[in-house]
Amino acid sequence: DQQVKQNSPSLSVQEGRISILNCDYTNSMFDYFLWYKKYPAEGPTFLISISSIKDKNEDGRFTVFLNKSAKHLSLHIVPSQPGDSAVYFCAARLNGGKLIFGQGTELSVKP
Amino acid sequence: DTGVSQNPRHKITKRGQNVTFRCDPISEHNRLYWYRQTLGQGPEFLTYFQNEAQLEKSRLLSDRFSAERPKGSFSTLEIQRTEQGDSAMYLCASSPMGQGARGFGPGTRLTVT
Repeated sequence: DQQVKQNSPSLSVQEGRISILNCDYTNSMFDYFLWYKKYPAEGPTFLISISSIKDKNEDGRFTVFLNKSAKHLSLHIVPSQPGDSAVYFCAARLNGGKLIFGQGTELSVKP
Repeated sequence: DTGVSQNPRHKITKRGQNVTFRCDPISEHNRLYWYRQTLGQGPEFLTYFQNEAQLEKSRLLSDRFSAERPKGSFSTLEIQRTEQGDSAMYLCASSPMGQGARGFGPGTRLTVT
């Protein structure tokens, strides 16, 4: 029962271009969504979040879009930098408490 | 700024042994979460606390797993009679109430031989 899915295991983009990471969910009771970045041998690092009552949140190079009718969210990184290369996880919050994570997408930004 | 810390960072144990991990959250964060992550997967929820109260426990957490947060500060996760399937990265996170898990620790990598 995978309630949060990241269907692309990997993504490769050129430095300076836009990276778009996608996430789909099934449970309409999720009230908050978060994106994390993870380097090997480290814990996930929080990047950006969005409430279910909004459709867009922007923080510097990172923008998260939420389409509730499609149960889809995406993370846009513009411009992409080599240091952005990492595994990205989306997560959805249920009942104000626990987070359900996707499987992750490995982003590679090539110089 | 002291983030979430976890000890030990690595633990190798033999099947059948008990292990205990410790998590020190960001001070003033009243929520503390435990997750488990295996290779190629996202973190899986295990349990979480609000102050010293354990509010939810995953069905994944068998009777061999127990977690405590006795004074609402640090937390321990104990696994009794470890099995090879327990080998994973155990992650701890903390947050102020209502914000989701913001700060994750570096994790404890458990290997059961």
